[in-house]
Amino acid sequence: AQSVTQPDIHITVSEGASLELRCNYSYGATPYLFWYVQSPGQGLQLLLKYFSGDTLVQGIKGFEAEFKRSQSSFNLRKPSVHWSDAAEYFCAVGPLNDYKLSFGAGTTVTVRA
Amino acid sequence: DSGVTQTPKHLITATGQRVTLRCSPRSGDLSVYWYQQSLDQGLQFLIQYYNGEERAKGNILERFSAQQFPDLHSELNLSSLELGDSALYFCASSGTDYNSPLHFGNGTRLTVT
Repeated sequence: AQSVTQPDIHITVSEGASLELRCNYSYGATPYLFWYVQSPGQGLQLLLKYFSGDTLVQGIKGFEAEFKRSQSSFNLRKPSVHWSDAAEYFCAVGPLNDYKLSFGAGTTVTVRA
Repeated sequence: DSGVTQTPKHLITATGQRVTLRCSPRSGDLSVYWYQQSLDQGLQFLIQYYNGEERAKGNILERFSAQQFPDLHSELNLSSLELGDSALYFCASSGTDYNSPLHFGNGTRLTVT
């Protein structure tokens, strides 16, 4: 069965500092991996996705993620955090050609001035 | 703006009642998905429709049902409501390309009192 683990429930980071959110997945085949962000009162917005090819994926809002098959990880990074990045971040994994995505429990990011 | 529209934004109702949540997918998207987000369960996939037909089923209770109409909008019907059904219900849509990710609406917050 597929599953996603986001080990960090809550992360606090200073504005301008770097951010890394961890995501580990369990999946029996080639995974399709996603990161979504949910701002308060909003729906989930797709930050980036990985299907194949280059294991370093660039997304919107200055985010990137790196797929590491050997570690079953897909960690999200941002070099310099802005106050507007305060939100909840979800990692998700889905099978090929089927969008029954499994989401992680989410990581809440707080940005302090 | 994801292009996915959900109404209403908020819904407050009593136990035992029935409600209908509505979703209009992005223009051209044939697939509609419903998710439930609660504090204890996280983001759970409920059901997927593709061009009017049920495509996949997740953790959807028998008291819940959904349908997708010829104009591709979808409705999620929740009946015999219980306190535990209080949650944020998201609709998402995707295109026909298998690389097409999910685009989420802003959700309907259901409060059962």
